[in-house]
Amino acid sequence: GAVVSQHPSRVICKSGTSVKIECRSLDFQATTMFWYRQFPKQSLMLMATSNEGSKATYEQGVEKDKFLINHASLTLSTLTVTSAHPEDSSFYICSAPRPPNYGYTFGSGTRLTVV
Amino acid sequence: AQKITQTQPGMFVQEKEAVTLDCTYDTSDQSYGLFWYKQPSSGEMIFLIYQGSYDEQNATEGRYSLNFQKARKSANLVISASQLGDSAMYFCAMRALYSGAGSYQLTFGKGTKLSVIP
Repeated sequence: GAVVSQHPSRVICKSGTSVKIECRSLDFQATTMFWYRQFPKQSLMLMATSNEGSKATYEQGVEKDKFLINHASLTLSTLTVTSAHPEDSSFYICSAPRPPNYGYTFGSGTRLTVV
Repeated sequence: AQKITQTQPGMFVQEKEAVTLDCTYDTSDQSYGLFWYKQPSSGEMIFLIYQGSYDEQNATEGRYSLNFQKARKSANLVISASQLGDSAMYFCAMRALYSGAGSYQLTFGKGTKLSVIP
């Protein structure tokens, strides 16, 4: 149980276009979703926290207008990379808290390549 | 603020041997949780083991055990009887444990790349 489905798993897009990444909680309600970014051979860096029905909270240094996060329902959170550039190429992964044992469920990640 | 330190960028272990991956942490929170995740080359994050700061016994999950030394602020992962499939990145992480909103985020260490040698 407690699965987060993340799509797409891989995407290649042209510079200047936008890409939407979806994370769906399949068998539980995810009131909170964390969005991470991971560069090759580096750790996961928290980009933002989305809460259902409210504005996302962005970490320092993350451009809100570039990385649009929407959490319109208890089962869906989306990250849209707007006007993507090659430096946005990275691995993006979402994660939802999974009560009651303080655990987390991660999506399978999205590898974004901007050409 | 929380900080996780993993000082071993890479580790090698012979198949069937045990290996310890180091993790130290720093936090001002009285109550916290410590996690270990495995990330294979596919990128998925696989939960391995969890230790609460007030748990008196060290956590164990199959071949994984967590050597928790609270006074030293260390939470080392021990993998027994290594298998080729254990080759992956391993991340130590922590979070504060209290009921207030905004307390759920995980702080990750930089990771250790484990390579199991046949």
